[in-house]
Amino acid sequence: EAGVAQSPRYKIIEKRQSVAFWCNPISGHATLYWYQQILGQGPKLLIQFQNNGVVDDSQLPKDRFSAERLKGVDSTLKIQPAKLEDSAVYLCASSLRGDHTGELFFGEGSRLTVL
Amino acid sequence: KNQVEQSPQSLIILEGKNCTLQCNYTVSPFSNLRWYKQDTGRGPVSLTIMTFSENTKSNGRYTATLDADTKQSSLHITASQLSDSASYICVVSGPGDSWGKLQFGAGTQVVVTP
Repeated sequence: EAGVAQSPRYKIIEKRQSVAFWCNPISGHATLYWYQQILGQGPKLLIQFQNNGVVDDSQLPKDRFSAERLKGVDSTLKIQPAKLEDSAVYLCASSLRGDHTGELFFGEGSRLTVL
Repeated sequence: KNQVEQSPQSLIILEGKNCTLQCNYTVSPFSNLRWYKQDTGRGPVSLTIMTFSENTKSNGRYTATLDADTKQSSLHITASQLSDSASYICVVSGPGDSWGKLQFGAGTQVVVTP
């Protein structure tokens, strides 16, 4: 079974530039998440999708971050303009269901460095 | 304040030795607790999951214990191998929480040396 796919794996940009990350969840998984993991910290939820609808985006900095999940399958996360503090690993995860009873599968992450 | 605290922050152990990682949480009410292993540059991978009614769960050389009364969990690694070098993250959820409401610890960085 294919896992959660993410790209690019690494990205280096200058502050005020824009960047986009892509995620393809495990086939059939209705729920997709984007997490931000700063070095030395645990993942922090940015946004949760159920199919193509947003369930929780309360911690998404909406002035610069945006995310979409068209057709309820793959998703993109965009940052525009980037700040130095956005340097982190962006993890995509998916699960069959959106509750705590299902397993959560993570992708390998996209590491962003903002100079 | 983080509701999940892990200790130590990091540790170095010799190959073949055992070690124990700690996780204290304040999430209440509590539903389940998971331990994840995160290799450097990779995504987290689930090791164990325990509900409030369980007090131990094993996965190969990894054994997790849970004391729901004291709100403490530990992860014991037996006969460590070089491949055990990773960050170990404790994750706690309350009843009815979606995965988005999970409380993540900051992780314990384990380095296994030859």
